[in-house]
Amino acid sequence: NAGVMQNPRHLVRRRGQEARLRCSPMKGHSHVYWYRQLPEEGLKFMVYLQKENIIDESGMPKERFSAEFPKEGPSILRIQQVVRGDSAAYFCASSSPSGANVLTFGAGSRLTVL
Amino acid sequence: AQSVSQHNHHVILSEAASLELGCNYSYGGTVNLFWYVQYPGQHLQLLLKYFSGDPLVKGIKGFEAEFIKSKFSFNLRKPSVQWSDTAEYFCAVKMGNAGNMLTFGGGTRLMVKP
Repeated sequence: NAGVMQNPRHLVRRRGQEARLRCSPMKGHSHVYWYRQLPEEGLKFMVYLQKENIIDESGMPKERFSAEFPKEGPSILRIQQVVRGDSAAYFCASSSPSGANVLTFGAGSRLTVL
Repeated sequence: AQSVSQHNHHVILSEAASLELGCNYSYGGTVNLFWYVQYPGQHLQLLLKYFSGDPLVKGIKGFEAEFIKSKFSFNLRKPSVQWSDTAEYFCAVKMGNAGNMLTFGGGTRLMVKP
């Protein structure tokens, strides 16, 4: 029973390029959350999605960042025109509809912007 | 603003020492409380959680935490740490009807010396 799968684990981009991070939730989970961990900081909530719907994006930067969770396939966090400050670990978590408020986290994707 | 504070950023202990990591939150309503652990190079794993009932919660690997409502605290404890407990520990809080959105503390990096 695979857990939350994130890829790539490591991604290097030059300033101005695009970064796409993927997250496949645990089997049976239909709720996905993206968190960002900046160096020496805790996790900051970015966005909460259910299939084909963005439920809460209050933590998403207003520009360059977008997220989707299509009917088929993984959730994708997309960062356009990356800047050095986007360098961070991006964690995805999932939960079931009943949830019991317990999130299962993936191993994270570490983005480095040169 | 609603927040979660972990006052100890770095803790160094010798094996067999007792551990207590502080966690305080600022929210006056109903909360669900969590401690997650992140071992070096790995994803976040749930150590324990509190939803209701007995405020003293026992988790995996000998960890426990006590919810003190009057102090808005949920401190993590372990009577005798091991070298394998070296990791970063995150307190997280679900505040009110925040869906499954968790607010994380900044983390405490624990190093246990053999």
